[in-house]
Amino acid sequence: DTAVSQTPKYLVTQMGNDKSIKCEQNLGHDTMYWYKQDSKKFLKIMFSYNNKELIINETVPNRFSPKSPDKAHLNLHINSLELGDSAVYFCASSRGEGGQNTGELFFGEGSRLTVL
Amino acid sequence: KNQVEQSPQSLIILEGKNCTLQCNYTVSPFSNLRWYKQDTGRGPVSLTIMTFSENTKSNGRYTATLDADTKQSSLHITASQLSDSASYICVVSARRTEIIFGKGTRLHILP
Repeated sequence: DTAVSQTPKYLVTQMGNDKSIKCEQNLGHDTMYWYKQDSKKFLKIMFSYNNKELIINETVPNRFSPKSPDKAHLNLHINSLELGDSAVYFCASSRGEGGQNTGELFFGEGSRLTVL
Repeated sequence: KNQVEQSPQSLIILEGKNCTLQCNYTVSPFSNLRWYKQDTGRGPVSLTIMTFSENTKSNGRYTATLDADTKQSSLHITASQLSDSASYICVVSARRTEIIFGKGTRLHILP
């Protein structure tokens, strides 16, 4: 069973479109995340979310929005896609929240977004 | 500002050789430090976790060290294999959900 699964794995779309990437974890974790990995392979946090708090990286444009229908899912919606949004997006989850966070992240396989 | 710096940026070694990757951090308050391995086209996977009181921890051919005084960690890979070719990312956890990533070291193992 895949612990953290995200779909689609590849997404090619035109500039200006709106798209979503879905993420599900079956680990029973409390906190989920979205990361962006650019062409230089640097992972940058976009959002972290548990059932009490959404923490947004201040550098993330408001065209990006996380939506969590329940504790096991955190989807990423992107409006008005731009060329610079092309990257690999990773979903992750971790056990605990706040001071109990051990720091171990379980990542999905990534979703490669290409904006034309 | 909490930061994690890794060196070298990339490294090429022959199969069977040993290598050491470095991680320096300025993170406060420190909670723990992890090394992740990211294979091409995959998500990162945790290799080891180091807490404040731990100096050395091994996971097979991988040995991580931590010097909390100098705020440095290293990941030593013994008898490298082709499957060790990957990016190795140092990640330091601070309070609450703050997790700081290094930019990674890209390791290439040549046959």
